[in-house]
Amino acid sequence: QVQVQESGPGLVKPSETLSLTCTVFGGSINDHYCSWIRQPPGKGLEWIGFIFGSGTTRYNPSLQTRVTMSEDTSKNQFSLKMRSVTAADTAVYYCACTILGTDMDLQYWGQGTPVTVSS
Amino acid sequence: DIQVTQSPSSLSASAGDRVTITCRASQSVRTRLNWYQQRAGKAPILLIFGASNLLNGVPSRFSGSGSGTDFTLTITSLQPEDFATYYCQQSYTTPRTFGQGTKLEIK
Repeated sequence: QVQVQESGPGLVKPSETLSLTCTVFGGSINDHYCSWIRQPPGKGLEWIGFIFGSGTTRYNPSLQTRVTMSEDTSKNQFSLKMRSVTAADTAVYYCACTILGTDMDLQYWGQGTPVTVSS
Repeated sequence: DIQVTQSPSSLSASAGDRVTITCRASQSVRTRLNWYQQRAGKAPILLIFGASNLLNGVPSRFSGSGSGTDFTLTITSLQPEDFATYYCQQSYTTPRTFGQGTKLEIK
């Protein structure tokens, strides 16, 4: 059974870069693609983008000028960097991974990591 | 972007009731429509993919239907653990988009 875990700092200063890591346990990232989703307090879900183990990425156009996703196959990890953050980027950030070759999406979710943007 | 509209935004029901949540996409997503359940303070979980396919382990009281632009999630015989927020999401194209959510509350 695949498990996914997000990690990263819970507090980021305005204008700085948010950096999060998603570690996949119980499966290779080469067999999965992983999406980043965020949820501001009391609000709904927003898709940030996804990345395949090959490095192929797709980003939400609303965020793509500030977002970069990458992979580290040696650590079985994906990472998210979001530049120039503001208070509007305060949210719980989720990583959700899906095995390749299925019709599913967002199959395995991490528990989420809360990020607050504040000085 | 494909807009996904869910209704109702909230719903009150009693244990044992049958409820239906609808989701409408702004253009056809074929059957690339998924449903997620999110309990308070927890991460969402995938319930139904491809409009009507239950994930392994999801109780059979959950069912999904639809294709194109109109979809429904039905829960028969509500159990206490079903009171949560439900989201639909299209996976036909990027950016992936979610409905606004339906909060299912105990009457």
